[in-house]
Amino acid sequence: DQQVKQNSPSLSVQEGRISILNCDYTNSMFDYFLWYKKYPAEGPTFLISISSIKDKNEDGRFTVFLNKSAKHLSLHIVPSQPGDSAVYFCAASRITGTASKLTFGTGTRLQVTL
Amino acid sequence: ETGVTQTPRHLVMGMTNKKSLKCEQHLGHNAMYWYKQSAKKPLELMFVYSLEERVENNSVPSRFSPECPNSSHLFLHLHTLQPEDSALYLCASSQGTGGNEKLFFGSGTQLSVL
Repeated sequence: DQQVKQNSPSLSVQEGRISILNCDYTNSMFDYFLWYKKYPAEGPTFLISISSIKDKNEDGRFTVFLNKSAKHLSLHIVPSQPGDSAVYFCAASRITGTASKLTFGTGTRLQVTL
Repeated sequence: ETGVTQTPRHLVMGMTNKKSLKCEQHLGHNAMYWYKQSAKKPLELMFVYSLEERVENNSVPSRFSPECPNSSHLFLHLHTLQPEDSALYLCASSQGTGGNEKLFFGSGTQLSVL
């Protein structure tokens, strides 16, 4: 049973527009969420995180929103750039738990077109 | 460059071969991980080492044997693998093993078992 779900395998967005990547989770014990970005032939790299005491965290063009009641988080990229084309993974854990309990989604492939 | 180096980048092996994957981290981290990424599946945790001690073995078959000789190096020894073991094997490290740790990943070894 997948506890972290990214239901959109792919997304195409025009350069300059907003990209919105979605992630749903089922385990209400999760209280820490991360987004990773992965380019082909490279490992995932950390992008941004949020703890459950917040509903928004912003870092430059990247903002993560958390809706705990809906068990939903989203990553907004604005404006989108061609270099943002990658696979984005959502991950969740418990702050009081261990990093080994980090649970990943299956990823969403973002294509930013010119 | 994430500070985590994996070799080889690609590996093709027969079911009767024995091979090893190598990972080295230059970040001064205390924890190292092996993950498996199969097509269209979430990243699956295989093993966790903290301060050179194995702290988690996620029900991985014995044909996968990890080794952590020191906090900077991690190996995954492979023997009598099956074709379904073909996947991307990712090494990661983190400063500690708390639930809000950020993992730093290597580029992975793409393994094909014939």
